[in-house]
Amino acid sequence: SQKIEQNSEALNIQEGKTATLTCNYTNYSPAYLQWYRQDPGRGPVFLLLIRENEKEKRKERLKVTFDTTLKQSLFHITASQPADSATYLCALDGDSNYQLIWGAGTKLIIKP
Amino acid sequence: DVKVTQSSRYLVKRTGEKVFLECVQDMDHENMFWYRQDPGLGLRLIYFSYDVKMKEKGDIPEGYSVSREKKERFSLILESASTNQTSMYLCASSLIQNEKLFFGSGTQLSVL
Repeated sequence: SQKIEQNSEALNIQEGKTATLTCNYTNYSPAYLQWYRQDPGRGPVFLLLIRENEKEKRKERLKVTFDTTLKQSLFHITASQPADSATYLCALDGDSNYQLIWGAGTKLIIKP
Repeated sequence: DVKVTQSSRYLVKRTGEKVFLECVQDMDHENMFWYRQDPGLGLRLIYFSYDVKMKEKGDIPEGYSVSREKKERFSLILESASTNQTSMYLCASSLIQNEKLFFGSGTQLSVL
C-alpha cells in the first residue's frame, strides 16, 4: 500500500533563507498531492494542491513541485520568517475514494 | 470566513464512558470527516460522510460510531471510551471529496 515519508527531524532555517521540505511516496503516483500547515494544538490549514500533470505551483512565497519520476514533492518557503515556524504535512490520495494518506509532518523552525 | 467548529478543545473522560464529539461547519459542504492524530503518526481516518445520513468507515472505525442527521453537523461517538482512545480528534469538511479540507481546531481527549 502507499506510504508517505516526511523528515521526522525538525528543520532549522535562518530567517530570510529558503526552507525546503520533502515528501516522498513509495508506490503509484497519486492524482494530486496536498500540503497543509499545522500549528501546535490546532487543526491543519490547507496551503496548496498540485496535480500529477503539474510540475510546479506557486502561492505568494510558497512553491510546490511534483516529480512523479522521483516520487517526490518539494515544498519551498522563500524569504522565510519566524511566523512560518510550524509543522507542515503532506497528503496524497489513497487507494480508495475519500481516503487521504497523510505524512507525519516535518517541524520547521525559522530562527531570527 | 469559513469555519469548522468542534464543541470542545479539551475533554477528560473515564474508561467506559460514552463520549460525544460534535462538529459543525458553515460552508454547506457535502463531505465531512473525523480523523485522529497521534504523535509521530499521520492523520488516520475514522469515519467520513458524503451526504446527510450517509456514513462510511475509514481506516480505524473500531470503537467509534458517527451520526449525521443534518448537513452541517457530524458527530463522533465513542461507545465505551478506553485509554487507547486518548488522542487529538480532528473534524474536517470539504466541497470536493478529499481536496482542500477545512479542519476544526481539534479536541484533545484524555481517557483515564
